[in-house]
Amino acid sequence: ILNVEQSPQSLHVQEGDSTNFTCSFPSSNFYALHWYRWETAKSPEALFVMTLNGDEKKKGRISATLNTKEGYSYLYIKGSQPEDSATYLCAFPDTGANSKLTFGKGITLSVRP
Amino acid sequence: GAGVSQTPSNKVTEKGKYVELRCDPISGHTALYWYRQSLGQGPEFLIYFQGTGAADDSGLPNDRFFAVRPEGSVSTLKIQRTERGDSAVYLCASSLMGLASDTQYFGPGTRLTVL
Repeated sequence: ILNVEQSPQSLHVQEGDSTNFTCSFPSSNFYALHWYRWETAKSPEALFVMTLNGDEKKKGRISATLNTKEGYSYLYIKGSQPEDSATYLCAFPDTGANSKLTFGKGITLSVRP
Repeated sequence: GAGVSQTPSNKVTEKGKYVELRCDPISGHTALYWYRQSLGQGPEFLIYFQGTGAADDSGLPNDRFFAVRPEGSVSTLKIQRTERGDSAVYLCASSLMGLASDTQYFGPGTRLTVL
């Protein structure tokens, strides 16, 4: 059974603050790591799929890094806005041949105006 | 283009009843996944299809749950003799080829409430 850990569980920040989250995953047999953002009453939105050690990806004010050797990924949000309020999920595929995802519990971010 | 759609968006049923949840994936996507999310948890895998066949159904909790994808596009998740513990958000996703590095695109989910 894969174990994907996310921390912290929830975060409350002020508009304009920068923040970061951690996702930990098994470092052996790494295939890919997925980050999603899930706003209430909407579909989970794919942010990044990361596959290479040292990968760094960026989408607007959101960026992510990957360390496959030590089994973690960081997600950064620069200058948080109220519209960034959502649950952020990371997920790990079972094997290279089986793409079913094991998700962490998610991190709920609230950004106060 | 159109994303993944799911119907109904909400379903309230009584314990013991049968329900069907429908998923329309993105056109051309060969892989289709079902997950469910209970309060305070991340989504949990149920089953995934590659084309018409179930490639992995190890996440189905018991034999009350069944899913089909007869023509390799639309899928239906069927739950017999529903129990209160089945209450959750049921999510469907599709990906182009079902590779571990393929993005899985999610629908908005069906919120199932079993009274």
